[in-house]
Amino acid sequence: GQQLNQSPQSMFIQEGEDVSMNCTSSSIFNTWLWYKQDPGEGPVLLIALYKAGELTSNGRLTAQFGITRKDSFLNISASIPSDVGIYFCAGPPMNRDDKIIFGKGTRLHILP
Amino acid sequence: DTAVSQTPKYLVTQMGNDKSIKCEQNLGHDTMYWYKQDSKKFLKIMFSYNNKELIINETVPNRFSPKSPDKAHLNLHINSLELGDSAVYFCASSPTSGGEQYFGPGTRLTVT
Repeated sequence: GQQLNQSPQSMFIQEGEDVSMNCTSSSIFNTWLWYKQDPGEGPVLLIALYKAGELTSNGRLTAQFGITRKDSFLNISASIPSDVGIYFCAGPPMNRDDKIIFGKGTRLHILP
Repeated sequence: DTAVSQTPKYLVTQMGNDKSIKCEQNLGHDTMYWYKQDSKKFLKIMFSYNNKELIINETVPNRFSPKSPDKAHLNLHINSLELGDSAVYFCASSPTSGGEQYFGPGTRLTVT
């Protein structure tokens, strides 16, 4: 079945560093969604992308919809402690637009 | 003013019991979902309902039975609970199927 491959699986960074993570698939996606999950909470939508090549920002977060429509990346600039959590990419593949598939997540840790 | 709410937040029960988890959304969305998140934090869709009609059933054991009395509610009933059912169950909703999803806070089910 369709899969979304997220990398890296985990990141350990210092506060203030920039972060980059990505998501790839063998299938074409028409929408890319990025979510963040805090411990003990449900995932929260950060950014939604709808067009190939689209670059969208939300505060210190920037996400891009890859030109091939098979990938997306999320950047976080100047990380702060509250950025800790799990970041998921998700989207409906083109041939199943009624179903959202989630990646396995990138776990972001910030070192003291 | 909670958008997607679930009850209970925690559920501890013994093997063989039957239990229900309730979900309500006040966003006016047409589509609701149940997801299971395992100990590795992988999110897997279980069911999706659009306007009270089942549209996705992802190879879930028939011990799991969703019920949607109206489009604002999607409850999950689980019969004959097993140890492997222990997980966090998330309800979500979206304006249309395959659209941006908004998650509830999760129900942590522990089967002993």
